Amino acid sequence: DIQMTQSPSTLSASVGDRVTITCRASQSVNIWLAWYQQKPGKAPKLLIYKASSLESGVPSRFSGSGSETEFTLTISNLQPDDFATFYCQQYVTYPYTFGQGTKLEIK
Amino acid sequence: EVQLVESGGGLVQPGGSLRLSCAASGFTFNDHYMDWVRQAPGKGLEWVGRTKDRGRDYATEYAASVKGRFIISRDASDYSLYLQMNSLKTEDTAVYYCVAYTSGLPHWGQGTLVTVS
Repeated sequence: DIQMTQSPSTLSASVGDRVTITCRASQSVNIWLAWYQQKPGKAPKLLIYKASSLESGVPSRFSGSGSETEFTLTISNLQPDDFATFYCQQYVTYPYTFGQGTKLEIK
Repeated sequence: EVQLVESGGGLVQPGGSLRLSCAASGFTFNDHYMDWVRQAPGKGLEWVGRTKDRGRDYATEYAASVKGRFIISRDASDYSLYLQMNSLKTEDTAVYYCVAYTSGLPHWGQGTLVTVS
């Protein structure tokens, strides 16, 4: 199975900050990488697909980059609504696998 | 608009069985892949399995943790996806989400809680 490793596990930041979350794959996933945001008690929400494509309706302050084994999610100008847990997921090989999550907290 | 509504969750004893349902609407059900994803309390997301589209004979894939115990199926007549869960273990306790893919993008239901205890 492809292992997905996110860092950091927890991130403290302030409104207006720019933050970056990293996701590393144990083998190449090409660009078949998605990023999700999840708030407590809610289903995950798709932010980014194919590593860098922004899902419709998602603010442009979210951006994704990377390919093969290393990917990043960047959030610019953090807003109060952005604080949540973020997951990466590879969808090139079964079983599809998720990273362990990064919790973004208010500093 | 794609809508997915899961049901069938509840409390079951270890070794028991449960069938989850996902009622789908807003897309051509037979022509799209559908997944089950679960999330144990306070934990991360785990992909459970998939049923492919009609063109691929609704072929299925499963995570190793559920293979041989869980069965994914669909009923095209009423746009329903199912997850038959057998030989349940305490570690199967989770919220179970159904996910539909249209134009390659996922749409998630709100989830249903299964507690094995």
